[in-house]
Amino acid sequence: GAVVSQHPSWVICKSGTSVKIECRSLDFQATTMFWYRQFPKQSLMLMATSNEGSKATYEQGVEKDKFLINHASLTLSTLTVTSAHPEDSSFYICSARIPGSGGGTQYFGPGTRLTVL
Amino acid sequence: AQKVTQAQTEISVVEKEDVTLDCVYETRDTTYYLFWYKQPPSGELVFLIRRNSFDEQNEISGRYSWNFQKSTSSFNFTITASQVVDSAVYFCALSDLVVAGGAQKLVFGQGTRLTINP
Repeated sequence: GAVVSQHPSWVICKSGTSVKIECRSLDFQATTMFWYRQFPKQSLMLMATSNEGSKATYEQGVEKDKFLINHASLTLSTLTVTSAHPEDSSFYICSARIPGSGGGTQYFGPGTRLTVL
Repeated sequence: AQKVTQAQTEISVVEKEDVTLDCVYETRDTTYYLFWYKQPPSGELVFLIRRNSFDEQNEISGRYSWNFQKSTSSFNFTITASQVVDSAVYFCALSDLVVAGGAQKLVFGQGTRLTINP
């Protein structure tokens, strides 16, 4: 149980294009999903909290117009990196929390490696 | 503010040795949760354990064991008889109980890169 998938697992794009990353909870409904960014040999940095049916909550310093988050259903959240630039290259990871579960355990997707040329 | 410190950046041991990964946390909450996650080279974070602040009982799961001590704000993780497959980055995390939009955010430590050599 508690399986989270991400698609694509890796993507290479040209500078200036937009890239959409999908995060799905496969065997549970997730009212809340989280998006993280991880640079090589560093820890996870929370970018935003995605809430089903409402606007995402962004962490300080994260550009909401740059990183568009949509949580349209209880099993799907998407992160769109708009007008991507080489500095956006990173490992993006999503996670989901089982509603009503105490303690806030988050289950993570396999991550998406984005390379912007 | 919550903070998690994993002072050991990298650890390298020979297979079958025991190894302990340290985790020290800071929080003003009286109720909180602590976690350990494993991130193998593939990149996916694997949930290992959750412990709430009211339960200081140590836990053992196979070769893994966890030592939670509130008095020292530590939640250390020991792997007994380590194996090459244990090689990964291990993250300790603290659940932020300040609800923001209905969420409980995780505060991660910097991670410890564990290498088990054959």
